[in-house]
Amino acid sequence: EVQLLDSGGGLVQPGGSLRLSCAASGFTFTSYAMNWVRQAPGKGLEWVSGISASGGSTYYADSVKGRFTISRDNSNNTVYLHMNSLRAEDTAVYHCAKAKYCTGGVCNFDYWGQGTLVTVSS
Amino acid sequence: DIQMTQSPSTLSASVGDRVTITCRASQYISSWLAWYQQKPGKAPKLLIYKASSLQSGVPSRFSGGGSGTEFTLTISSLQPDDFATYYCQQYSGDSPGLTFGGGTKVEIK
Repeated sequence: EVQLLDSGGGLVQPGGSLRLSCAASGFTFTSYAMNWVRQAPGKGLEWVSGISASGGSTYYADSVKGRFTISRDNSNNTVYLHMNSLRAEDTAVYHCAKAKYCTGGVCNFDYWGQGTLVTVSS
Repeated sequence: DIQMTQSPSTLSASVGDRVTITCRASQYISSWLAWYQQKPGKAPKLLIYKASSLQSGVPSRFSGGGSGTEFTLTISSLQPDDFATYYCQQYSGDSPGLTFGGGTKVEIK
């Protein structure tokens, strides 16, 4: 059974940093791209970042480029999202998502983590 | 970036109704479109990929159609478990990034 366990969220002040983790199991982790998608309270889904199966290619939404960094540890089946210079508008539930199919680095997703809440507030 | 526009934003329907949601892309995306269902407090669930392919385990009352810039998600006979919010998502590699539609909430009439 595929499982994605998101963790690392919490309350952080504007300008602060946080690292999210997503522990994966139940599939061959090294064969699939992984992504992060967020959802602000009461709002829709917004893609944040993606990383290729090998970790050699990374992709970012314009809204987080230069502030967030995605990485993965294929020996521990874990993907990370390092978030710096956090803003109030980054407040959201962050879901990791396993890619089903990708074209040109852009994917659809067949499994999602339950999400971890990041709140940016003073 | 490719913009995805869903309509309607809210839909009121009864159990047994046939329901259709529309998604329009701001530029050509071939069939690189997925549909997801999301219930409150839960992660999204993949229903349809490549515009019309049914994800494994999804009931056959769900179907997807369209190509190019106009797409539909149809529920042939609405069931109590189907009251949720539905999102389309484009994953065309011709444009950087992927985008979701704004969502359609299906409510009980």
